[in-house]
Amino acid sequence: AQSVAQPEDQVNVAEGNPLTVKCTYSVSGNPYLFWYVQYPNRGLQFLLKYITGDNLVKGSYGFEAEFNKSQTSFHLKKPSALVSDSALYFCAVNDNYGQNFVFGPGTRLSVLP
Amino acid sequence: DAGVIQSPRHEVTEMGQEVTLRCKPISGHDYLFWYRQTMMRGLELLIYFNNNVPIDDSGMPEDRFSAKMPNASFSTLKIQPSEPRDSAVYFCASSFDRYLGNEKLFFGSGTQLSVL
Repeated sequence: AQSVAQPEDQVNVAEGNPLTVKCTYSVSGNPYLFWYVQYPNRGLQFLLKYITGDNLVKGSYGFEAEFNKSQTSFHLKKPSALVSDSALYFCAVNDNYGQNFVFGPGTRLSVLP
Repeated sequence: DAGVIQSPRHEVTEMGQEVTLRCKPISGHDYLFWYRQTMMRGLELLIYFNNNVPIDDSGMPEDRFSAKMPNASFSTLKIQPSEPRDSAVYFCASSFDRYLGNEKLFFGSGTQLSVL
């Protein structure tokens, strides 16, 4: 069975500083990995995905994520955080065999001015 | 396209009443998903459809829950009878066929359900 862990419930970072939101996964076969962001009272929005190829993927709003197969991790990063990045971030995994996206519990990011 | 459209945005009902949530997926998408989000359990997949056919309903909590997709542009999630523990935000999402290279979900804004 596939699963996703986000070890931090909350991440606080000062505006302008780099941010990292952590994600580890477990899946049989090759993983499809995703990051989604949820703003208050909104649905989840796609940020980026890793399917194959370069381990560093770039996505919306200046975010990027690094796929590390040996550590089964897919951490989300941004070089310089903005207050507007404050939101709930979800990591998700999908295997090659179904359409079932399994989401992590979410990490609340607060960027302080 | 207006995106995935869900209605109502908020629903407040009393225990025992029937609740129907509605979803219009993005035109041309052939997968439709219903998720439930709570603080305790996070985001849970309830059921998903492919070309209007239910593929996996193993996440539907019990027989009180049912979902239908009578055509490519409309789906409903019904709870009958509703209970306070059903209170949650219910999201609908749609996507293209994964083999076309569009492996991502488009979410609606959700329905906030409160069962008193």
